Amino acid sequence: KAGVTQTPRYLIKTRGQQVTLSCSPISGHRSVSWYQQTPGQGLQFLFEYFSETQRNKGNFPGRFSGRQFSNSRSEMNVSTLELGDSALYLCASSGTGTSSYNEQFFGPGTRLTVL
Amino acid sequence: KQEVTQIPAALSVPEGENLVLNCSFTDSAIYNLQWFRQDPGKGLTSLLLIQSSQREQTSGRLNASLDKSSGRSTLYIAASQPGDSATYLCAVNTGGFKTIFGAGTRLFVKA
Repeated sequence: KAGVTQTPRYLIKTRGQQVTLSCSPISGHRSVSWYQQTPGQGLQFLFEYFSETQRNKGNFPGRFSGRQFSNSRSEMNVSTLELGDSALYLCASSGTGTSSYNEQFFGPGTRLTVL
Repeated sequence: KQEVTQIPAALSVPEGENLVLNCSFTDSAIYNLQWFRQDPGKGLTSLLLIQSSQREQTSGRLNASLDKSSGRSTLYIAASQPGDSATYLCAVNTGGFKTIFGAGTRLFVKA
């Protein structure tokens, strides 16, 4: 069974631009969560989607948004990029999504650098 | 507000040594706790998942315990190897489909 895939793996943008990252969960998984990882703040929860609905979100500005498609693939978008948005963005998928008891599986991440 | 702390922040041990990594959390109302391993610049690899009703889980040389009442979990690594060198993260599922991570313990196993 293929794991979680994220594209692109690396991205370089300049301040003020916007970016879209993609995540394909493990086949059959319907819950997708996004995280931002930086050396200073560690891993921080961005948002979680299940069946195209956002069920929870972390404390990030509105420039960070996401969506999930009917095939469970998810995208996150960051608009008006700032230098501080440089980070490793990780996506995780988990099983049925109907309970909080499921194991999370992570993708390799997208390394975003903002110049 | 749930907070997760991992001690120590970094650890260096000789090959073959048994070691314990610690994770503490402030709110005992958790659904599960998961231990991950992260190699530099890579994603997270799931090691063990402990449900709130369980006390421990084992996988090979790894054993994780959970004491909800005291807000603690430990990851025991037996007979450490250089390939175990990585950052180990614990993550607490607080319900509401949100997971809180600790800052991690960076482990270096010397050959």
